[in-house]
Amino acid sequence: GNSVTQMEGPVTLSEEAFLTINCTYTATGYPSLFWYVQYPGEGLQLLLKATKADDKGSNKGFEATYRKETTSFHLEKGSVQVSDSAVYFCALISNFGNEKLTFGTGTRLTIIP
Amino acid sequence: EAGVAQSPRYKIIEKRQSVAFWCNPISGHATLYWYQQILGQGPKLLIQFQNNGVVDDSQLPKDRFSAERLKGVDSTLKIQPAKLEDSAVYLCASSLGQGIAEAFFGQGTRLTVV
Repeated sequence: GNSVTQMEGPVTLSEEAFLTINCTYTATGYPSLFWYVQYPGEGLQLLLKATKADDKGSNKGFEATYRKETTSFHLEKGSVQVSDSAVYFCALISNFGNEKLTFGTGTRLTIIP
Repeated sequence: EAGVAQSPRYKIIEKRQSVAFWCNPISGHATLYWYQQILGQGPKLLIQFQNNGVVDDSQLPKDRFSAERLKGVDSTLKIQPAKLEDSAVYLCASSLGQGIAEAFFGQGTRLTVV
């Protein structure tokens, strides 16, 4: 079945540091890939997405590139801010079968001033 | 555009009691998901509807959990009887489907079973 493996947290960085959160996937067919973010006390919201190989999703300074050859969708940001502190979830929807939305376990990110 | 609406936001019940959650998806969204998110873990899919039909309920504990989606719009998730390990946030999400559309999430219902 489909699965998503995320870098385990928690991750703690200083403000303005470079961020990478690794995500790899296993899926049938050609999935769409997503990063969702959950800020403290809030619901899940979509951060960015990519629907085909070599697509780059970007939003709020975050980027992730759909790499079919390495089945990866790593999240990056060049300079993090305290307001980026949240839990980040990598997810996929397969276009083969029932289009189930599958999540990774999440990575808690804390940015210190 | 209105988002996914869920109610109640919070619920505290004793074990062996029953509880029901309600979800109103975004208008026109054919796919509706119910997820269980236990503290510190990623969301786990309980059930997925396509219109009013069940697409996937393989991880739904059917001896105690049930869900329905009336007329392909609103949905309810019920737990009867509740156990302590059911304490979690229950998330409802909807999407257009079609394999590439993003899912939009409601605020969730935080259930505490004591």
